[in-house]
Amino acid sequence: DAKTTQPPSMDCAEGRAANLPCNHSTISGNEYVYWYRQIHSQGPQYIIHGLKNNETNEMASLIITEDRKSSTLILPHATLRDTAVYYCIVRVARGSSNTGKLIFGQGTTLQVKP
Amino acid sequence: DAGVTQSPTHLIKTRGQQVTLRCSPKSGHDTVSWYQQALGQGPQFIFQYYEEEERQRGNFPDRFSGHQFPNYSSELNVNALLLGDSALYLCASSLNWPLVDTQYFGPGTRLTVL
Repeated sequence: DAKTTQPPSMDCAEGRAANLPCNHSTISGNEYVYWYRQIHSQGPQYIIHGLKNNETNEMASLIITEDRKSSTLILPHATLRDTAVYYCIVRVARGSSNTGKLIFGQGTTLQVKP
Repeated sequence: DAGVTQSPTHLIKTRGQQVTLRCSPKSGHDTVSWYQQALGQGPQFIFQYYEEEERQRGNFPDRFSGHQFPNYSSELNVNALLLGDSALYLCASSLNWPLVDTQYFGPGTRLTVL
């Protein structure tokens, strides 16, 4: 599985967009980009995933560059409840016997400030 | 629709003891994965169960074992507990191994080994 690089921490003002970058320069053509977040001492929460097209759901948007070597998670209007550790994970596509595990890095600690 | 549930919430054991943690997957899911999260670290994959068999395993010793029941629920057993086993243990469920879709996590069990 490809490795990811994320900044260790970021701040964002409440009500503004939070843009969380992730570098995955060794990503393969059959690997998805997944985002999870973990609020203190809780289980990780699934946010969004994508292969090569940009994706949007009720929680966030995912922008993947054309060469797929990096992506950005966008929280359009951050609230205090969005303060959490955000993990970017690259994972092989369905159908591979190696799809079982998610490899978590250190993630980005996002602090949303009033 | 019930999400992933885990029990107990917290547990305190002493070195050398054995512990069993339990997980009920999200409704409709048939695949269960277990992760260990030490303080300040990202979750690490322990193993994954589907159709009552261990399908994939991470880099954990044989002291860590598991079981999946016909109703898809799962147990994680740890023998001969060490101080280093103190961690948050997370269960995640998904659907259709190996066409594994998104994993959804439970709230975790906090294990403290004294």
